[in-house]
Amino acid sequence: DTGVSQDPRHKITKRGQNVTFRCDPISEHNRLYWYRQTLGQGPEFLTYFQNEAQLEKSRLLSDRFSAERPKGSFSTLEIQRTEQGDSAMYLCASSGQVNTEAFFGQGTRLTVV
Amino acid sequence: GENVEQHPSTLSVQEGDSAVIKCTYSDSASNYFPWYKQELGKGPQLIIDIRSNVGEKKDQRIAVTLNKTAKHFSLHITETQPEDSAVYFCAASKEDNNDMRFGAGTRLTVKP
Repeated sequence: DTGVSQDPRHKITKRGQNVTFRCDPISEHNRLYWYRQTLGQGPEFLTYFQNEAQLEKSRLLSDRFSAERPKGSFSTLEIQRTEQGDSAMYLCASSGQVNTEAFFGQGTRLTVV
Repeated sequence: GENVEQHPSTLSVQEGDSAVIKCTYSDSASNYFPWYKQELGKGPQLIIDIRSNVGEKKDQRIAVTLNKTAKHFSLHITETQPEDSAVYFCAASKEDNNDMRFGAGTRLTVKP
């Protein structure tokens, strides 16, 4: 399967802990996106990479959030000092060109207790 | 920034009937409008998309129409089947803008 892969699928953490998620995009895709989706809502854009460069960040991405894509392949999203409001599904997507099909991963469901 | 509104939030149809989901957008510069289907526990999957240079696009039982003047676009599913049951999201983005904005979703239930 050469689709977008996310790990872990589920994460339960205590408030105040740090968590890190990983996304492996489709191998030939140079664009990678992170979205957050809460229950009953559509995905909300968080940030975007073209190769290793982080080109856009949403205002939703507070200073507790950081994303990296060090070699232009996989990406990590870290949340520091988690809060209950961070509980959501975190989706990763990749595409080959702008305004072309973005393929989504299965997501990582984060629960902060 | 762009704001996408989607209606209805829930839709229930009988198998074989048609289903229509409508979206409006606020930014006249938006020119790419994809529709995604999301099943429980899965990520969104693109089912059809349309660009601003066309008014309609069809793929088997699925069609999308775009009215740029009115800034609205619609998804039409004909001959619905139980496996069409899912949450559908519309989205809009601008050329070279990666901040794709999604609607809140429509939960479609197709009753056998």
